[in-house]
Amino acid sequence: DQQVKQNSPSLSVQEGRISILNCDYTNSMFDYFLWYKKYPAEGPTFLISISSIKDKNEDGRFTVFLNKSAKHLSLHIVPSQPGDSAVYFCAAKRRRTSYDKVIFGPGTSLSVIP
Amino acid sequence: NAGVTQTPKFQVLKTGQSMTLQCAQDMNHEYMSWYRQDPGMGLRLIHYSVGAGITDQGEVPNGYNVSRSTTEDFPLRLLSAAPSQTSVYFCASGTSGGPNEQFFGPGTRLTVL
Repeated sequence: DQQVKQNSPSLSVQEGRISILNCDYTNSMFDYFLWYKKYPAEGPTFLISISSIKDKNEDGRFTVFLNKSAKHLSLHIVPSQPGDSAVYFCAAKRRRTSYDKVIFGPGTSLSVIP
Repeated sequence: NAGVTQTPKFQVLKTGQSMTLQCAQDMNHEYMSWYRQDPGMGLRLIHYSVGAGITDQGEVPNGYNVSRSTTEDFPLRLLSAAPSQTSVYFCASGTSGGPNEQFFGPGTRLTVL
């Protein structure tokens, strides 16, 4: 059973507009949520994270919103740029004693059209 | 800093062959992990380690072995390759605790015939 879900496999947005990528999770024990970006033939790179005690985290053009009651988070990119075209992975982490592991969603492919 | 390095970049194996995918990091990170990426499946955790001598299973550990004898190295062994193990493999490292931002290697594309 997939614990982290990204129900939109792809998304197209015009340059300059807002991109909204969604992520849902099933495990209420997750403590941290992260977004990674991946270009073809490269490894993923970390983008932004949010702790479960917060509902918003902002870093430049990127903002992540967390709704714990709905077990839902979203990544907003404003304004979208062609260089943002990539696959975006949502990931969640649960702290368990001194060990931890990260679970990734299936990814959403974002295309920003010039 | 080289970051996270993986070798080889590409590999073709025949069913039943064994091999080791190498992963090394020079950031003194405690946490290292192996993922495989398959179309429509995203990144799935195979094994992870929170320090030398400590490893644990992830979501899809069957058919893979790991060991962590040093902080820097975390090799992934395929004991008897199967076509279902055709995938792109990523190694990652990070600090244990907190949001656990991970740094990924460039990946190894493995094909099992």
